[in-house]
Amino acid sequence: DIQMTQSPSSVSASVGDRVTITCRASQGISSWLAWYQQKPGKAPKLLIYAASSLQSGVPSRFSGSGSGTDFTLTISSLQPEDFATYYCQQANSFPPAFGGGTKVEIK
Amino acid sequence: EVQLVESGGVVVQPGGSLRLSCAASGFTFDDYAMHWVRQAPGKGLEWVSLISWDGGSTYYADSVKGRFTISRDNSKNSLYLQMNSLRAEDTALYYCAKDMGPGAERGVYYFDYWGQGTLVTVSS
Repeated sequence: DIQMTQSPSSVSASVGDRVTITCRASQGISSWLAWYQQKPGKAPKLLIYAASSLQSGVPSRFSGSGSGTDFTLTISSLQPEDFATYYCQQANSFPPAFGGGTKVEIK
Repeated sequence: EVQLVESGGVVVQPGGSLRLSCAASGFTFDDYAMHWVRQAPGKGLEWVSLISWDGGSTYYADSVKGRFTISRDNSKNSLYLQMNSLRAEDTALYYCAKDMGPGAERGVYYFDYWGQGTLVTVSS
């Protein structure tokens, strides 16, 4: 099975900051990667799929990049509504697997 | 508007059984594979099970294989998860999630819509 490792596990940032979250797969997954945002008490929301494709309705300040084993999620200018936990997930092979999550907190 | 509404979560004793349901609307249900994903309290996300669009193929995480059974009724736009031999470590919020890929037998493993979840607590 493919293991997904996210870093950092938490990050403190201010409104307007640029935030980057990293996700590493234990083996190559091409571009079969998704990013989700989860706010407290809410279901996860798909932000990005295929490593860099923005899901419909997601603000353009979110972007994804990478292929193979190393991926990043970037929030170009952090907004108050972006404080949440972010998960990466590999979709390359069975079973689908999530990273451990990165909590973006207010500095 | 796509909606997924889970139900059936309760407190159950170890070794007990439970059936979760997910009512779907707002999309052509029988075009898509469907999944169950769970989240233990304060923890991350864990994929649990997948069923193909026609119900003919099912897949499970090793942690639940042999104990859980996923099924669907396309005439009722409904997804189910039969949970047997429950353990304390099965305590979690269970989400049903729609696969993003229409017509793909095993889906494409991207989850574009999620329900609000139903809480299963396994405790004596």
